Amino acid sequence: GENVEQHPSTLSVQEGDSAVIKCTYSDSASNYFPWYKQELGKRPQLIIDIRSNVGEKKDQRIAVTLNKTAKHFSLHITETQPEDSAVYFCAAPTSGGSYIPTFGRGTSLIVHP
Amino acid sequence: DAGVTQSPTHLIKTRGQQVTLRCSPKSGHDTVSWYQQALGQGPQFIFQYYEEEERQRGNFPDRFSGHQFPNYSSELNVNALLLGDSALYLCASTAGPSASGNTIYFGEGSWLTVV
Repeated sequence: GENVEQHPSTLSVQEGDSAVIKCTYSDSASNYFPWYKQELGKRPQLIIDIRSNVGEKKDQRIAVTLNKTAKHFSLHITETQPEDSAVYFCAAPTSGGSYIPTFGRGTSLIVHP
Repeated sequence: DAGVTQSPTHLIKTRGQQVTLRCSPKSGHDTVSWYQQALGQGPQFIFQYYEEEERQRGNFPDRFSGHQFPNYSSELNVNALLLGDSALYLCASTAGPSASGNTIYFGEGSWLTVV
C-alpha cells in the first residue's frame, strides 16, 4: 500500500515569512495529491490539490508543486498570517480500485505575529 | 446545501461498551467513508460504504462495523470499546467511490472518549 511521509512535524515562522511542507509517497501510480488544513477542534478542509499531469498549481498565497520522478510534493504558503496557524495534512491515494487517501502525520504550522 | 453532518459531536463511554456514530453525506454524494483520527495523528481509514455495501476496509478489527442506508446515510459501530479507541471519528463523503481525485468532504467529527 501507499506510504506517505510528511516533514516537518512542526514549523514555526514569523508573520510574513514563507512556509514549506513536504511529503513523499511510495506508489508511483498515485495521481492525485490533496492538502488539508485542520484548525484546532475542526474538520480537515481541502485547501489545494494537484493532479499528476501538472507540476505546479497556485491559488493566491498557497501553491503545491509535484515531482513525480522523485515522488514528492510540497505545499508552499507565502506571506504567512496568524490565521494560517493550523495542522496541515498531505494525502496520496492508496493502491486499489477505490480512491482511499493515505494521510501524512501532519505538520503543525505556527505563525507568530 | 448541507455539508456532511455527524452526530453526536462528543460522547464518553466506558471500556467494554458499544457506541454508534451517525453520518449524513453531503447532498448529491452517495459514498461514505469513516476515519479515525487519534490525537496528533492524521486520519486513518476505517472503511468505505457505497450502494449499502462495505467496499474497502482499512486495518481495523472486526469490532468496527458499519452500515449504509438507502438514503446514503451511514453508521459506524464499535463494540467492546478499548481505551485506545478514544479519538475523533470523521465521516467523509464523495460522489462515487472509484474516481481518483474526487474531492473528499469531511464532517465535523464525533469526539469519542473511552474511560
